[in-house]
Amino acid sequence: AQSVSQHNHHVILSEAASLELGCNYSYGGTVNLFWYVQYPGQHLQLLLKYFSGDPLVKGIKGFEAEFIKSKFSFNLRKPSVQWSDTAEYFCAVNAYGNKLVFGAGTILRVKS
Amino acid sequence: GAGVSQSPSNKVTEKGKDVELRCDPISGHTALYWYRQSLGQGLEFLIYFQGNSAPDKSGLPSDRFSAERTGGSVSTLTIQRTQQEDSAVYLCASSSDRASVNTEAFFGQGTRLTVV
Repeated sequence: AQSVSQHNHHVILSEAASLELGCNYSYGGTVNLFWYVQYPGQHLQLLLKYFSGDPLVKGIKGFEAEFIKSKFSFNLRKPSVQWSDTAEYFCAVNAYGNKLVFGAGTILRVKS
Repeated sequence: GAGVSQSPSNKVTEKGKDVELRCDPISGHTALYWYRQSLGQGLEFLIYFQGNSAPDKSGLPSDRFSAERTGGSVSTLTIQRTQQEDSAVYLCASSSDRASVNTEAFFGQGTRLTVV
């Protein structure tokens, strides 16, 4: 069965600090990988996704993630965070035709 | 419609009552999910409908929970004899099942259920 592990539940950073949120998944086959973001009071929206091709994917608002197949990882990065990045971030994985499974989420608070 | 629509947006019910939550997915999306998000918790998978296949009900927490999807479109999540621990935000999402296109899930705004 698929599962997703996010390493940090709460992260606090100052503005302009670099961000890396860890995500590991367990599934032996071909997967699609996603990062979703939920800003305070808003619904979940897609930040970026990986289906195939270049393992370094770029998403909205300067976020990027790298798929490392050998490590079953899909870590999210941003070189310089802003106060507006305060949100909860969810990593998710699915195999074609299978359900989308989410990690427990990481709450990011950026101090201005 | 343009997005996934859920109703009601808020529901307050008394313990022991039954509730129905509705989800209208994006037109043409054959995959539909229900998740539950409790305070401080992640997204708990409840049930997954994929086309005409039997739904994956492996996430339903008890037999008080059930869901159906009529005509491959609208879905209703029913919770019978609600308990206080059922209080949460119930999220619906839909996606395309075609491998050649995006399979990202699009989420609705959710239904906030409060059991008093």
